[in-house]
Amino acid sequence: EAGVAQSPRYKIIEKRQSVAFWCNPISGHATLYWYQQILGQGPKLLIQFQNNGVVDDSQLPKDRFSAERLKGVDSTLKIQPAKLEDSAVYLCASSAATSGDDDTQYFGPGTRLTVL
Amino acid sequence: GQQLNQSPQSMFIQEGEDVSMNCTSSSIFNTWLWYKQDPGEGPVLLIALYKAGELTSNGRLTAQFGITRKDSFLNISASIPSDVGIYFCAGQQQGGSEKLVFGKGMKLTVNP
Repeated sequence: EAGVAQSPRYKIIEKRQSVAFWCNPISGHATLYWYQQILGQGPKLLIQFQNNGVVDDSQLPKDRFSAERLKGVDSTLKIQPAKLEDSAVYLCASSAATSGDDDTQYFGPGTRLTVL
Repeated sequence: GQQLNQSPQSMFIQEGEDVSMNCTSSSIFNTWLWYKQDPGEGPVLLIALYKAGELTSNGRLTAQFGITRKDSFLNISASIPSDVGIYFCAGQQQGGSEKLVFGKGMKLTVNP
């Protein structure tokens, strides 16, 4: 079974530029998550989708971050314009069930963003 | 926001030694999870705990869900070089597909 795919793996941009990340979840997984992991910290949820609807975006800085999952499969996360403090690894995760007790989140390898 | 306090932040041990780490919270969680993250990779689930007081093993790993629902620990026995990495605790208040709240991680170094 293929895992969660993310691209690009690395991205270097200057502040005030725009950047987009792409995620392809595990086939059939209804729920998709974007996490931000700053160096030396644990991942922090930015946004959670169930199919193509947003479940939780309470920690997404909506003035500069946006995300979409138009067909309920792939997702893109965009930052516009980027700030220095956005330097982090952006992790995508997916899980199978829409509810239930055993619902493992599988993580992709992440995109490492450096803002100069 | 919610925070998990994970300790220690790092450990240096000799191959063959045991290591323990724990995680505490000011909030109650109904699910506790332990993940390992290797450099350049995403976190991988090691153990999941769903009931207060539960003690679960996965090979050389043992984890417990605290009775108060506010803490958990992970023990690795007879460490080997491939145990090197960063270990994270994570909690879910409701379980299921709810978001994970992560600790800051513990960096483990194993000297052969």
